[in-house]
Amino acid sequence: AQSVTQPDIHITVSEGASLELRCNYSYGATPYLFWYVQSPGQGLQLLLKYFSGDTLVQGIKGFEAEFKRSQSSFNLRKPSVHWSDAAEYFCAVGVRGGKLIFGQGTELSVKP
Amino acid sequence: DVKVTQSSRYLVKRTGEKVFLECVQDMDHENMFWYRQDPGLGLRLIYFSYDVKMKEKGDIPEGYSVSREKKERFSLILESASTNQTSMYLCASKTGNYGYTFGSGTRLTVV
Repeated sequence: AQSVTQPDIHITVSEGASLELRCNYSYGATPYLFWYVQSPGQGLQLLLKYFSGDTLVQGIKGFEAEFKRSQSSFNLRKPSVHWSDAAEYFCAVGVRGGKLIFGQGTELSVKP
Repeated sequence: DVKVTQSSRYLVKRTGEKVFLECVQDMDHENMFWYRQDPGLGLRLIYFSYDVKMKEKGDIPEGYSVSREKKERFSLILESASTNQTSMYLCASKTGNYGYTFGSGTRLTVV
């Protein structure tokens, strides 16, 4: 079955600290993988995507993600978190027909 | 930039009412989607449409229907609203493989 798991429902980090949000997927074919961010009261904004090629993907706002096929993972990272990064983050896998299957989301809080 | 506009930011409806959630996109995209967002469950696909008058069920279609009479407009219909349909509803349109644009959402409360 196709699915995406984000094991951490809520993470709190201090401003300036590094961040890693975990994402594991289950999909039979080569996955198309995405990370979206949702700020309060907003729709989803695409941070980055992986289709093929280099397994380390750079996105907007200083985020990056690494695709690890052996671990079925696509973890999101940022070296230094800013207070404005507080939001909810969603990992998603693209499946046949152009549909997206989303994970449960990880809410990020940033301590001053 | 593509815009996806959801007509209502907040809605409060009574149990048993027929509810229409409207979504309009301005870039002639063929594909449009309705998702429901609940805490701890992420986004779940309710219905999607590949073209005018075409629709397909997503993962949780029960209690919902959709209408797409014009390319730019995709409506989600709750035939008889129930309290378990209280949720955030997100509309999206898509171009290319996975070029999604999401609306800001409609937070529906059914009392």
